[in-house]
Amino acid sequence: LAKTTQPISMDSYEGQEVNITCSHNNIATNDYITWYQQFPSQGPRFIIQGYKTKVTNEVASLFIPADRKSSTLSLPRVSLSDTAVYYCLVWGPDSWGKLQFGAGTQVVVTP
Amino acid sequence: EPEVTQTPSHQVTQMGQEVILRCVPISNHLYFYWYRQILGQKVEFLVSFYNNEISEKSEIFDDQFSVERPDGSNFTLKIRSTKLEDSAMYFCASSTRETTEAFFGQGTRLTVV
Repeated sequence: LAKTTQPISMDSYEGQEVNITCSHNNIATNDYITWYQQFPSQGPRFIIQGYKTKVTNEVASLFIPADRKSSTLSLPRVSLSDTAVYYCLVWGPDSWGKLQFGAGTQVVVTP
Repeated sequence: EPEVTQTPSHQVTQMGQEVILRCVPISNHLYFYWYRQILGQKVEFLVSFYNNEISEKSEIFDDQFSVERPDGSNFTLKIRSTKLEDSAMYFCASSTRETTEAFFGQGTRLTVV
């Protein structure tokens, strides 16, 4: 399983864009990059997943450079309700179903 | 939106007692999981389950743990003889085969006293 490194915490104001970068230098060819969000006392919630280039959904965008050694989760125009822990995970066919969560990034959004 | 439901939301038990945590996965999902999160720590994988058998388990999932799908809808985690260090939030999750988009339940907070 590829090891991931992401900032411990990030602060932002409402309405701003938040970008969280995760490094995964030893990502394997068949690995995907997945991001989850967790609010206090709740289970993690899937946000977005990608393999390369850019993926966008109604919640976030995921940017993956050509070398795939890092990825950036972009949360547009955050609100107070986006305050949560965000986890970057790398998953591949050999580790299917065994999501390995790290410490994540605590994002705090203030007015 | 379909959801994974877990019961109870909170369980207090005495050390050495057996507990069963219950989960109802999303109906068309085929893969089921248990994770746990000790207060203030990261989410830890316990076990994955498919086709009525364990697919993978972590070193945490020792002989005191067992999982079962007793019928077509429930998925349970049994801890035979609880220890103080088993106190944690236990999350059930389910997914389809083709995706890592696992849907997590709200969790059961287990407190061992």
